[in-house]
Amino acid sequence: NAGVTQTPKFRVLKTGQSMTLLCAQDMNHEYMYWYRQDPGMGLRLIHYSVGEGTTAKGEVPDGYNVSRLKKQNFLLGLESAAPSQTSVYFCASRSGNSYNEQFFGPGTRLTVL
Amino acid sequence: SQQGEEDPQALSIQEGENATMNCSYKTSINNLQWYRQNSGRGLVHLILIRSNEREKHSGRLRVTLDTSKKSSSLLITASRAADTASYFCATDAGGNKLVFGAGTILRVKS
Repeated sequence: NAGVTQTPKFRVLKTGQSMTLLCAQDMNHEYMYWYRQDPGMGLRLIHYSVGEGTTAKGEVPDGYNVSRLKKQNFLLGLESAAPSQTSVYFCASRSGNSYNEQFFGPGTRLTVL
Repeated sequence: SQQGEEDPQALSIQEGENATMNCSYKTSINNLQWYRQNSGRGLVHLILIRSNEREKHSGRLRVTLDTSKKSSSLLITASRAADTASYFCATDAGGNKLVFGAGTILRVKS
């Protein structure tokens, strides 16, 4: 039981490049989330999904797109990376039966030059 | 904007002492949760307190919730060097999502 995994762990992009971050969970959770963490600002919600095939915007969705084609995977895309997207990205998931306790992945550190 | 605000931003104590962190929030909530984050790692859920609860214990952790003041506190008793981490409160105000505060950095010196 791996829990929540994220790929890649580190990435450096040039401005304007695109990339996709992959989140996978093996707990059969309904809900999945993408956050970004910047120094002194805690976690901010980018997008989330309440089930396979559904997505919704969070607090800071601009510049990102997501897809949830399979229940166990949640993809975060950056179509044209900007230096302001330099951050640590965390994926989380939770069961639909819980009181919203979330399980987090180890994070992806992204630098945009 | 963030719902929860932690206080203090940073706390440094000696091993064996108690550590208290506070969280204030702005709107009505269903529950409030505390998470720990070790350096370079993801967040780990510590404890959840529902809006109709006033106090909850889990091992060396004690959480209180005062909905009239919209505040919560996390007490770690008999701290250990391994408790060194960042601690975040997160509020569930409905809508299938949590809103996190900026966190308290705790350093426990041995």
